[in-house]
Amino acid sequence: AQSVTQPDIHITVSEGASLELRCNYSYGATPYLFWYVQSPGQGLQLLLKYFSGDTLVQGIKGFEAEFKRSQSSFNLRKPSVHWSDAAEYFCAVGWPTSGTYKYIFGTGTRLKVLA
Amino acid sequence: NAGVTQTPKFRVLKTGQSMTLLCAQDMNHEYMYWYRQDPGMGLRLIHYSVGEGTTAKGEVPDGYNVSRLKKQNFLLGLESAAPSQTSVYFCASSYSDRARTDTQYFGPGTRLTVL
Repeated sequence: AQSVTQPDIHITVSEGASLELRCNYSYGATPYLFWYVQSPGQGLQLLLKYFSGDTLVQGIKGFEAEFKRSQSSFNLRKPSVHWSDAAEYFCAVGWPTSGTYKYIFGTGTRLKVLA
Repeated sequence: NAGVTQTPKFRVLKTGQSMTLLCAQDMNHEYMYWYRQDPGMGLRLIHYSVGEGTTAKGEVPDGYNVSRLKKQNFLLGLESAAPSQTSVYFCASSYSDRARTDTQYFGPGTRLTVL
């Protein structure tokens, strides 16, 4: 069965430090992979996605993610975190079914940024 | 262009009461989705719709009904609310063509408490 694991529930980094959020998935083929960000009281916003091709994906707000098939991972990175990046981040796996897409979301990683 | 909007933003119900959550999108999207978000569990799909007049069950459909009478609206109903339905509910929508169905646009959420 498909699954998504975000092993870190909370992460705290200092402003200006680098960031890596981990995501591991279980799926029979290469899935569609997504990272979303949720600011307090807001809905989810897509940061980036991977379908195929270049395994390093660039997203909005300076984020990038790397797909590693051998590790079944899709980790999110940012070289220098800003205070405004404090939010909850969700990794998701998607696959086409019955004319639409099904998603499984990870449980989220809450990022705290220290000034 | 408001994107995806949800009404109401907050609601408190007593056990056994009924209510309807409204989702509206102005992007002419074919596909619409209802999720619930619970602490430590990520987002789980309740029901979805691939077009006006169609609905389908997601991962956790029990206790909910939906209707898609108009393309721009997707209603989620609770006929007899239970405390287990206390959650934050998110609506999302997406395009129907294969190149764009992957990206879901989320509403700001409805926080529902059932006493």
